[in-house]
Amino acid sequence: GENVEQHPSTLSVQEGDSAVIKCTYSDSASNYFPWYKQELGKGPQLIIDIRSNVGEKKDQRIAVTLNKTAKHFSLHITETQPEDSAVYFCAATNAGGTSYGKLTFGQGTILTVHP
Amino acid sequence: NAGVTQTPKFQVLKTGQSMTLQCAQDMNHEYMSWYRQDPGMGLRLIHYSVGAGITDQGEVPNGYNVSRSTTEDFPLRLLSAAPSQTSVYFCASAGTGYNTGEKLFFGSGTQLSVL
Repeated sequence: GENVEQHPSTLSVQEGDSAVIKCTYSDSASNYFPWYKQELGKGPQLIIDIRSNVGEKKDQRIAVTLNKTAKHFSLHITETQPEDSAVYFCAATNAGGTSYGKLTFGQGTILTVHP
Repeated sequence: NAGVTQTPKFQVLKTGQSMTLQCAQDMNHEYMSWYRQDPGMGLRLIHYSVGAGITDQGEVPNGYNVSRSTTEDFPLRLLSAAPSQTSVYFCASAGTGYNTGEKLFFGSGTQLSVL
C-alpha cells in the first residue's frame, strides 16, 4: 500500500517569513495529493490539492509543487501570518473508483508563526 | 447545513466497555470513513463505506465495527475498549465523481480515553 512521509514534524517561523513542508510517497500509482490544515480542537480542512498531471498550483499565499519522478510534493506558504499556525497534513491516493474517501496521510507538521 | 456531525466530543471508558461513536452528514455524500489520529502518526483509516449497505476495512480495523444502514449515518462501534484505542477519532465524508470524491470533509472529532 501507499506510504507517505512528512517533514519536518515541527516548524517555527517569524511572521512574514516563508514556510515549506515536504512529503514523499511510495506508490507510483498515486495521482492526487491534497493538503489539510487542522486548527486546535477542529477537524482537518482541505486547503489545496494537486493532481499528477500538474507540476505546480497556487492559491494566494499557498502553493503546492509536485515532482512525480522523485515522488515528492511540497507545500509553500509565503508571507506567513499568526493565523497560519496549525497542524498541516499531506496525503496521497490513487483517486477514482473504490479509492474515494480513502487517503493515506503523512505524520503532520506543527507550524508555529511568531508575531 | 451542518456538514459532518460527530458525537460525543469527549468520552472516557474503562477497559472492556463498549460504546458507539456517532457520525452523521447532511451533504448527501456517498462516501464516509473513520480515521484515528495519534501523535506522530498522522491520520490512519479504520473503516470506510462507499454507500449504504457497503463497508470495508481500512489500515487499522481491529477492535472496531461499522455499519451503514442509511446514506447519512456511519457509526463506529468499539466492541471491548482497550487502552491502545485511546485516540482522537474523525469521521469524514466525500461526494461522488471526479474532483469531488477525493475531497474529504471532516467532523470536529471525538477524543476518547480508555483507562
